[in-house]
Amino acid sequence: DTEVTQTPKHLVMGMTNKKSLKCEQHMGHRAMYWYKQKAKKPPELMFVYSYEKLSINESVPSRFSPECPNSSLLNLHLHALQPEDSALYLCASSAQEKLFFGSGTQLSVL
Amino acid sequence: GEDVEQSLFLSVREGDSSVINCTYTDSSSTYLYWYKQEPGAGLQLLTYIFSNMDMKQDQRLTVLLNKKDKHLSLRIADTQTGDSAIYFCAEIKVRTGGYNKLIFGAGTRLAVHP
Repeated sequence: DTEVTQTPKHLVMGMTNKKSLKCEQHMGHRAMYWYKQKAKKPPELMFVYSYEKLSINESVPSRFSPECPNSSLLNLHLHALQPEDSALYLCASSAQEKLFFGSGTQLSVL
Repeated sequence: GEDVEQSLFLSVREGDSSVINCTYTDSSSTYLYWYKQEPGAGLQLLTYIFSNMDMKQDQRLTVLLNKKDKHLSLRIADTQTGDSAIYFCAEIKVRTGGYNKLIFGAGTRLAVHP
């Protein structure tokens, strides 16, 4: 089983809304990631959690707030987003050299 | 440079072989990867190669690595319409005991036509 599950698959939100993206894996991976992907572009790393501690924040604006409640779950809390934040948000997890991605949440900010 | 480079588009006829090329940046990268992304989907890990290897074959996929030129290629034999997708090359920039930081190329869009 190499499955990383993301919910919701699609999300539309206004600039004043608060929403959360969720990611779950049961492969026992101790590293989990958030990536942002704009249309026709490669994924860009946002955050990395290793052993439930934030290891990398790639200078992401504070309107994105990650959370790792336990080793299987990763959340991304969204508040006061801008239209340019519309993108596909991908979660990933890794063990050793392999990085596995979820199917993503397509986010539209109106 | 800092970029992993790929050609942006490749068109092939069904049944032919496809070759997607990539130039990476760091000769000390230990692992190099190929991911496939279909429209509206996440990235699927297709294959990867360790830097002490020159070639890796997995069914229809063949990966060739030229460390001297920092060149990686993915050959897909007997290309099918289901192979139409974007293919991303990636290299490891940071590898610790806890996590890996990958750098992706811009992606090559493969179009397979009858």
